[in-house]
Amino acid sequence: QLQLQESGPGLVKPSETLSLTCTVSGGSISSITYYWGWIRQPPGKGLEYIGSIYYRGNTYYNPSLESRVTISVDTSKNQFSLKLTSVTAADTAVYYCARQKSGSYRNWFDSWGQGTLVTVSS
Amino acid sequence: EIVMTQSPATLSVSPGERATLSCRASQSVSSNLAWYQQKPGQAPRLLIYGASIRATGIPARFSGSGSGTEFTLIISSLQSEDFAIYYCQQYNNWPLTFGGGTKVEIK
Repeated sequence: QLQLQESGPGLVKPSETLSLTCTVSGGSISSITYYWGWIRQPPGKGLEYIGSIYYRGNTYYNPSLESRVTISVDTSKNQFSLKLTSVTAADTAVYYCARQKSGSYRNWFDSWGQGTLVTVSS
Repeated sequence: EIVMTQSPATLSVSPGERATLSCRASQSVSSNLAWYQQKPGQAPRLLIYGASIRATGIPARFSGSGSGTEFTLIISSLQSEDFAIYYCQQYNNWPLTFGGGTKVEIK
């Protein structure tokens, strides 16, 4: 059964870089059928799409975050990662990694990690 | 960016009753819409994709309908485990966008 697990610091200082890794188990990140995505949820609020990556390294970023976001993939470790630079308190959220169907008009998220809370504070 | 608007924000329903949730897109998304359920402290769970196709393992009491800009999620007979927040998501256009959610609470 596929499992996704986020890991990384739970506390980041303002203006620094948030870095998270998602480890995929029970399936290959190199599958041609899927993209791998990041979604976040500020406390008590709704879901915001951050971006996605294909195993070959193709990426898509939400334009609202694109200037600060980098998503990368390490197929040898079955992991993908998120970096968000110049963070502020507004970036405080639960960050989820998720598996996303690939292909035109198929981009729903069918499996999610449990999420990790990242707080931006000095 | 396509804006997804869900209504109502909160829906109070008695167990065993029917719940009807709405999702509206700011422009047509065809049938490229998914619904998710989120319980407190948990990740969202995929319920519906393609506007009306239940995901694997989702009970038949959950049904989705609609196309274009108007979508509906119906829970035919609410069970205790169905009280949660429900989100819609369009995947017709990038960036992918979610609605603000509808909280289904016990009446």
